[in-house]
Amino acid sequence: QKEVEQDPGPLSVPEGAIVSLNCTYSNSAFQYFMWYRQYSRKGPELLMYTYSSGNKEDGRFTAQVDKSSKYISLFIRDSQPSDSATYLCAMSAVETSYDKVIFGPGTSLSVIP
Amino acid sequence: DGGITQSPKYLFRKEGQNVTLSCEQNLNHDAMYWYRQDPGQGLRLIYYSQIVNDFQKGDIAEGYSVSREKKESFPLTVTSAQKNPTAFYLCASRSYRDETQYFGPGTRLLVL
Repeated sequence: QKEVEQDPGPLSVPEGAIVSLNCTYSNSAFQYFMWYRQYSRKGPELLMYTYSSGNKEDGRFTAQVDKSSKYISLFIRDSQPSDSATYLCAMSAVETSYDKVIFGPGTSLSVIP
Repeated sequence: DGGITQSPKYLFRKEGQNVTLSCEQNLNHDAMYWYRQDPGQGLRLIYYSQIVNDFQKGDIAEGYSVSREKKESFPLTVTSAQKNPTAFYLCASRSYRDETQYFGPGTRLLVL
């Protein structure tokens, strides 16, 4: 079992739809959870960052963490064609000597005008 | 303007040749990372460095080497021992004030 699993898609939705992107993980020590957006042939850019469980909202984006289920989600409201990209989840468990971040493989999203 | 720069954007390698990818950051971050990204796969960690003059192997270090002589710079050399180097290479840095990594624009390496 991989440490972080993510449906690769592709996911195609009409403009204005609500998008739900998800990751599951196996390591209960993960405490920091991140979502990155990566446009084609570009480096990933940080979208959302949460610590431990709960929700965090930033504009049209909401990140949710459910540590009891080892499940994280990113919701995009009123999706726009400019949201078309690959979305990577990432997580880490800070240890004293090794701060490794584990990335999911990414979900490819297309928002159709 | 703070950020991470990578150069070149595209790099071509001939058989048996060593090539070096540049990564510079002016964010005053302590930790720096190199990842490899292949289609359909997640980011795989090649090397990381938490402090100047120290670095550690990641999951796929074979065929790669790095140095960390300055806080701002973390170059990656792809040696001739790396038999399948064609990939998108991403450099990242991180501040210990938060747990997030910030990425450069990437270098695409192709083999001639």
